[in-house]
Amino acid sequence: DVKVTQSSRYLVKRTGEKVFLECVQDMDHENMFWYRQDPGLGLRLIYFSYDVKMKEKGDIPEGYSVSREKKERFSLILESASTNQTSMYLCASSFVRGETQYFGPGTRLLVL
Amino acid sequence: AQTVTQSQPEMSVQEAETVTLSCTYDTSESNYYLFWYKQPPSRQMILVIRQEAYKQQNATENRFSVNFQKAAKSFSLKISDSQLGDTAMYFCAFMWAFKAAGNKLTFGGGTRVLVKP
Repeated sequence: DVKVTQSSRYLVKRTGEKVFLECVQDMDHENMFWYRQDPGLGLRLIYFSYDVKMKEKGDIPEGYSVSREKKERFSLILESASTNQTSMYLCASSFVRGETQYFGPGTRLLVL
Repeated sequence: AQTVTQSQPEMSVQEAETVTLSCTYDTSESNYYLFWYKQPPSRQMILVIRQEAYKQQNATENRFSVNFQKAAKSFSLKISDSQLGDTAMYFCAFMWAFKAAGNKLTFGGGTRVLVKP
């Protein structure tokens, strides 16, 4: 079975802190994605990566950056957390030629 | 840009009955994929069913089936013989089949389904 894990299920941070969210997949997938999930808005793509050290902006990249130094690991970075970044963050991965994305359990982030 | 709309924020259904979730999308592309994903409470999102736009036959997966109307840009999900374990948030999603687009998904806002005993 495909396994996508995220470093934390729940996280509480202060405004202005630098926040790291990590995602690891064990299926040798080329593609990895970061989404945020908000009620009524569904999931919105923040960033995605199709290879090591490669990244592309999604629909809402402002205030976020990403890092992919190894194929299995994709990190989302909030350089200076703000209260409007309080949300559920979901990581996903897929094969480069595959359509199905496999999701992690999510990290619920609260910024105070 | 593609948009996906789920007009029903919440639905409830009695166990063993049938419920249909609606999804409409807007795209100028002709080659794409459509998906229904399920997110149970406090559990991981999983794929329920997938439809390729070039296939006229509606996809089915056990008790889950879709009604794909390409001209109307409609992609509804029918859950038959509903079970308590079907209680979840359901998301409709669109993916452009042009590979250089990076296999990105565009999601609808979700429909919360509650199955009552």
